[in-house]
Amino acid sequence: GAVVSQHPSRVICKSGTSVKIECRSLDFQATTMFWYRQFPKQSLMLMATSNEGSKATYEQGVEKDKFLINHASLTLSTLTVTSAHPEDSSFYICSARNFGSYNEQFFGPGTRLTVL
Amino acid sequence: DAKTTQPPSMDCAEGRAANLPCNHSTISGNEYVYWYRQIHSQGPQYIIHGLKNNETNEMASLIITEDRKSSTLILPHATLRDTAVYYCIGKGGSYIPTFGRGTSLIVHP
Repeated sequence: GAVVSQHPSRVICKSGTSVKIECRSLDFQATTMFWYRQFPKQSLMLMATSNEGSKATYEQGVEKDKFLINHASLTLSTLTVTSAHPEDSSFYICSARNFGSYNEQFFGPGTRLTVL
Repeated sequence: DAKTTQPPSMDCAEGRAANLPCNHSTISGNEYVYWYRQIHSQGPQYIIHGLKNNETNEMASLIITEDRKSSTLILPHATLRDTAVYYCIGKGGSYIPTFGRGTSLIVHP
């Protein structure tokens, strides 16, 4: 199946700093990517839908100025957590929809963010 | 997308079949049933999907009832590495998988 990568796999940062997470589709083009967040022992929660060349669509309750999403190319979307705080510590997962394959969606391995 | 209901947890002996049920009574005619699993601290992994007919691939089989209100994922010979949370999702026009709580499957020796 298609491969989606995320970088970094884990990051520890100080409170108040910004962290950028990259999501790449390695062998297919993805016009749409999705960002999820998962807290311990909970399910994945959709944060936003990232569309190549346009603004992201955020789910209710997700602050767009805090979670900046850029989808500059058909293979790369980035999520920047600005002014991170300990409550932003979570597992962030991206997924990409395969442009050439109806309704197929592939997930990245996730990024573990710890804010001290 | 259809609302799905799954048991919170199940367990299975290694080598035996694991049968994971899912209720999706509100599923509409054009919504597929998708199954993903998530091994601890990893991203979700696609397993299988279907619309009306039963499906089988190298990982699992999917049995969908004739009225499409429920389905069962079958892992024919479960191994310890199949221990994971399994998510059943009804996915239609929005194409965006929204995850419920899933079923935590524990495969024991």
